[in-house]
Amino acid sequence: GENVEQHPSTLSVQEGDSAVIKCTYSDSASNYFPWYKQELGKRPQLIIDIRSNVGEKKDQRIAVTLNKTAKHFSLHITETQPEDSAVYFCAANKRDDYKLSFGAGTTVTVRA
Amino acid sequence: NAGVMQNPRHLVRRRGQEARLRCSPMKGHSHVYWYRQLPEEGLKFMVYLQKENIIDESGMPKERFSAEFPKEGPSILRIQQVVRGDSAAYFCASSMGAGTGSYEQYFGPGTRLTVT
Repeated sequence: GENVEQHPSTLSVQEGDSAVIKCTYSDSASNYFPWYKQELGKRPQLIIDIRSNVGEKKDQRIAVTLNKTAKHFSLHITETQPEDSAVYFCAANKRDDYKLSFGAGTTVTVRA
Repeated sequence: NAGVMQNPRHLVRRRGQEARLRCSPMKGHSHVYWYRQLPEEGLKFMVYLQKENIIDESGMPKERFSAEFPKEGPSILRIQQVVRGDSAAYFCASSMGAGTGSYEQYFGPGTRLTVT
């Protein structure tokens, strides 16, 4: 099955700086890569996703890049704010196999 | 437009009892997924269902766990004879399952099961 690895496990950044989280996947057939944000005690919320026919996607302060050859994808958060503090999970799945395989998560702390 | 609904939000069971977790998907969604999250860990896939069908249960333990999504009513995840190791947050997600956006899964608030 698919194996998704996520780094780093924790990330502390100064408010206003950028945060980058990286994930790698093992199955070259994977073609959908969502990112979820989970605040303490809350549900995972889909914040951005990318499909394998696209190399980069941006939505305001967040962006995701995908390198299919290297089988890795990254989340970039610019101009971080305290409300960006949360656990972020990357995930992957492949066409016709709807289940998501999740990374272990990155705890992001934005210092004011 | 209500999102994915789960109940109960918190459930306490003694060892050996049964736990029933319910999930109502978003309106217009016909695919339901159950994931388990242990404390400070990621989400692990358990089972994927469509109405009246289990599509993939590869992540669900063979014993004590079962799931259903009947024609009418919510999807139910059932855990029989619970043990302490079953204590976790159980999240349900739903997706459209066809057409544009079919990959996107939206999560419910979860049920936090505590086995004493």
